[in-house]
Amino acid sequence: QKEVEQNSGPLSVPEGAIASLNCTYSDRGSQSFFWYRQYSGKSPELIMFIYSNGDKEDGRFTAQLNKASQYVSLLIRDSQPSDSATYLCAVTATTDSGGKLQFGAGTQVVVTP
Amino acid sequence: ETGVTQTPRHLVMGMTNKKSLKCEQHLGHNAMYWYKQSAKKPLELMFVYNFKEQTENNSVPSRFSPECPNSSHLFLHLHTLQPEDSALYLCASSLWDFDNEQFFGPGTRLTVL
Repeated sequence: QKEVEQNSGPLSVPEGAIASLNCTYSDRGSQSFFWYRQYSGKSPELIMFIYSNGDKEDGRFTAQLNKASQYVSLLIRDSQPSDSATYLCAVTATTDSGGKLQFGAGTQVVVTP
Repeated sequence: ETGVTQTPRHLVMGMTNKKSLKCEQHLGHNAMYWYKQSAKKPLELMFVYNFKEQTENNSVPSRFSPECPNSSHLFLHLHTLQPEDSALYLCASSLWDFDNEQFFGPGTRLTVL
């Protein structure tokens, strides 16, 4: 059973601080990694993707990938109350028909003013 | 309308009812997906369609019947559901079925009595 694991939280972060979210995956053949943000009662929204080892920055978000250790993380700098949401990690599952996304259960982030 | 739309947004049905969920994408994508999201569980992929052809059925019970008349429309026909089928049903689309940058619709919140 291929799995994507995330700490469910809630992760409480003071406004202005850095939120650090981790995700581990079991399928060594996974090639693509995604972070989705889901506000309560809303659908997931893609915020970051990363394909290569190392860091990828986009605004206040940084995704970090370490394929050898099979983990991907998301850093949110200068956290704002509007960042309060559940963050879903998604990983491609290697199949003959192409990549199929496997999702973690999500980490709830609460940014406190 | 832009993006991915879903109707209805909320649905309450009895176990003997027959209903259908509708999804429409205005992104020019060729692949469409149905996901099930239950509380505190990872998103579960149900079906994948690429150019109207089903490319994935993730061992979904036959009481869920998908239909994809064209690349822009996707239906999920429901009959004789069980209370445990109550969940948020999300539709998504991507350019191709191996393109993991998926865009989600707002979802249908389904309650089975």
